[in-house]
Amino acid sequence: EAQVTQNPRYLITVTGKKLTVTCSQNMNHEYMSWYRQDPGLGLRQIYYSMNVEVTDKGDVPEGYKVSRKEKRNFPLILESPSPNQTSLYFCASRRLAGGLSYEQYFGPGTRLTVT
Amino acid sequence: QQPVQSPQAVILREGEDAVINCSSSKALYSVHWYRQKHGEAPVFLMILLKGGEQKGHDKISASFNEKKQQSSLYLTASQLSYSGTYFCGTEMDSSYKLIFGSGTRLLVRP
Repeated sequence: EAQVTQNPRYLITVTGKKLTVTCSQNMNHEYMSWYRQDPGLGLRQIYYSMNVEVTDKGDVPEGYKVSRKEKRNFPLILESPSPNQTSLYFCASRRLAGGLSYEQYFGPGTRLTVT
Repeated sequence: QQPVQSPQAVILREGEDAVINCSSSKALYSVHWYRQKHGEAPVFLMILLKGGEQKGHDKISASFNEKKQQSSLYLTASQLSYSGTYFCGTEMDSSYKLIFGSGTRLLVRP
């Protein structure tokens, strides 16, 4: 089954304690990205990657890091989480093909609470 | 650059029709539409490409007006299962950067 998986699904942590949210896709997609979703603000892109070892900032990258060492994995790292990073996070992946636009698949989401 | 969706929320009776609009101030390359049920991930509905035709499946269809940089999602004879939040995502060019609107909450009542 084609899917994007994220772990953990729920996480409660304290300010300053480093954490990693994992993301993996089994569709061999080149493009992967992270979004955060907050009430009334929609889905805002944090970082994206167009291929292995190629990452770039989205619209709200401050306080986050990512890496793309393998095509299927795209972990999101919060080095020193703060309460304003409390949010619902989605990982997503897409196929890339010159000049065309393909649907984006989303993971199930990770609800993060930073106290 | 975030696209603007309207209305922000709509309540329908089962069987009624609805239109959700998505507007951009920039020229668009493509428009995506997704639906998100409460507590779940967004799910793809359809893509409209610049120069492409109106798309649709079942009783949900969409159009893309390139001159107005606007897309509309049409839900006809709404069903209870249509309830959720609808997001449009826009691409300005073939860079693959997808920017989402803030969403339209749709509630279909019996």
